[in-house]
Amino acid sequence: DIQMTQSPSSLSASVGDRVTITCRASQGISNYLAWFQQKPGKAPKSLIYAASSLQSGIPSNFSGSGSGTDFTLTINNLQPEDFATYYCQQYNTYPLTFGPGTKVDIK
Amino acid sequence: QVQLVESGGGVVQPGRSLRLSCAASGFTFSSHGMHWVRQAPGTGLEWVAVISYNGGNKDYADSVKGRFTISRDNSKNTLYLQMNSLRADDTAVYYCARSLSSGYYASFDYWGQGTLVTVSS
Repeated sequence: DIQMTQSPSSLSASVGDRVTITCRASQGISNYLAWFQQKPGKAPKSLIYAASSLQSGIPSNFSGSGSGTDFTLTINNLQPEDFATYYCQQYNTYPLTFGPGTKVDIK
Repeated sequence: QVQLVESGGGVVQPGRSLRLSCAASGFTFSSHGMHWVRQAPGTGLEWVAVISYNGGNKDYADSVKGRFTISRDNSKNTLYLQMNSLRADDTAVYYCARSLSSGYYASFDYWGQGTLVTVSS
């Protein structure tokens, strides 16, 4: 199975900050990488697919990059509604696997 | 608008069975692969199973293989997860999620609200 790791596991930030989350795959996955946002008690929300393509309705302050094994999610101008846990996921190979998550909370 | 509504969760004893359903609306159900993903209390997301748009291909996480069966009824726009021989570590919120396309290797776009399954004696 492909293992996904994320760093950091948590971070504190302020409204208006720029935040970067890193995701690494244990083997190459091309650009078959997605990012999800989850708030407490809610279902996950799809943000990005194919490493850098925004899902419909997702604001442009979210962006993704990377290919192969190393990927990043960047949130520019952090907004109050962006405080949440973020997961990466590879869909290059079954079984699909998620990273352990990165919690972004308010400084 | 796209809607996915799970149902069928509840409290069940270890070793028993449960069937989850996911009712889809607002899109052409038969054109999209579908997934089940679960989340145990206080933990991260775990992919469970996938079924192709026409039901011809299925795959499972090792943790559920041989116990869970994913299926779909395109005439009823409904996805199912039959869960047998349930164990305490199957306790989780179960989400259904839509594949972005009919392709087998596609990301998710929409998620349901989830249904809680608790396995306990």
